[in-house]
Amino acid sequence: EADIYQTPRYLVIGTGKKITLECSQTMGHDKMYWYQQDPGMELHLIHYSYGVNSTEKGDLSSESTVSRIRTEHFPLTLESARPSHTSQYLCASTGGTGELFFGEGSRLTVL
Amino acid sequence: AQRVTQPEKLLSVFKGAPVELKCNYSYSGSPELFWYVQYSRQRLQLLLRHISRESIKGFTADLNKGETSFHLKKPFAQEEDSAMYYCALSAGNNRKLIWGLGTSLAVNP
Repeated sequence: EADIYQTPRYLVIGTGKKITLECSQTMGHDKMYWYQQDPGMELHLIHYSYGVNSTEKGDLSSESTVSRIRTEHFPLTLESARPSHTSQYLCASTGGTGELFFGEGSRLTVL
Repeated sequence: AQRVTQPEKLLSVFKGAPVELKCNYSYSGSPELFWYVQYSRQRLQLLLRHISRESIKGFTADLNKGETSFHLKKPFAQEEDSAMYYCALSAGNNRKLIWGLGTSLAVNP
């Protein structure tokens, strides 16, 4: 079934740990995005990609990095997590229609 | 500057009452506007887009270029409409979305 998947859904880790949030989509979309969102708050674009080997920083400065080695895969990495990184991270993708399809989110808590 | 403004952070209405969630935009070109909705414990999803000109779950939104608005309306609110609603503008050559801050709608019994 065509969908967009995020893992893990929930992650609690200690300060200084390296973490990778996974995002995969089976819809064949070229464009993928990472947003940061605190519950009930605005969406902040932190990274986006328009295709393989193409990544750009978004509007909100983030210490995270991303890669796009395969069309369907767009992981986000934090080399050294801090409590200020505690948030929900949403992955999204879009094809030619302009509609964004979102994953269920990864809720990160850094102690 | 391209901007989307949702002036109400929280909107509370009673079941059966009309509801209007306001959205104003600033964009010099030809805009494409969307309403996205996030129900509790569900993923963010598209509710409707102005080019489709359709009603979804009883909601409609009309693009008013003169007032640069794209307000979301429903004549009779239901409790299941309680959610977070985001207005978004697709702009520029890369059609990147510009988001409003969101309006939390609470429909009380």
